Amino acid sequence: EVQLVETGGGLVQPGRSLKLSCVASGFTFSSYWMYWIRQAPGKGLEWVSSINTDGGSTYYPDSVKGRFTISRDNAENTVYLQMNSLRSEDTATYYCAKDRGGNWGPYWYFDFWGPGTMVTVSS
Amino acid sequence: ETVLTQSPTTTAASPGEKVTITCRASSSVSYMHWYQQKSGASPKLWIYDTSKLASGVPNRFSGSGSGTSYSLIISSIESEDAATYYCQQKSSDPLTFGSGTKLEIK
Repeated sequence: EVQLVETGGGLVQPGRSLKLSCVASGFTFSSYWMYWIRQAPGKGLEWVSSINTDGGSTYYPDSVKGRFTISRDNAENTVYLQMNSLRSEDTATYYCAKDRGGNWGPYWYFDFWGPGTMVTVSS
Repeated sequence: ETVLTQSPTTTAASPGEKVTITCRASSSVSYMHWYQQKSGASPKLWIYDTSKLASGVPNRFSGSGSGTSYSLIISSIESEDAATYYCQQKSSDPLTFGSGTKLEIK
């Protein structure tokens, strides 16, 4: 059974940093692209970052580029999101998600999501 | 950026009724994917590649469309279908989601 479990969320002041983790199980982690997607309270979904299978290629939207860094440790089946210079508009539930593609990927859509971890940026 | 506009924003239907949710793209996309999100839960992949049902999705759901107009159709609503549905594309960068359609059951 595929499982994704995010940790690391919490309350942080504007301008500070936070690092999220997502531990994966139930599939061959090193074969899949992984993603972070966020959802502000009562709002829709926003793609935050993507990483390829070996961690050598990463992608971000303009809203977080230069502030957020995605990385992965295939030995630990874990993907990370380092968030720096946090702003109030980064307040959201952050989901870790798995690409459906595997060896055929990336497909750039998500067949499993974690339960999410809440990040609140406030003074 | 390809903006995805969903309509309606909210809709209510009685059990057994047919419901159509539309997702219009600001530029042509090759495929559309759909997610179902129930209150307090994480999203689930529901329809991928425009018309393929994800594992476990009832066959009263279907998807169709091309170019800039896509639809998620529920042929006969059941109470368990109450949720918010989001469309998503990656034909152009960046990957974007629609703003969601909340489906309520009367």
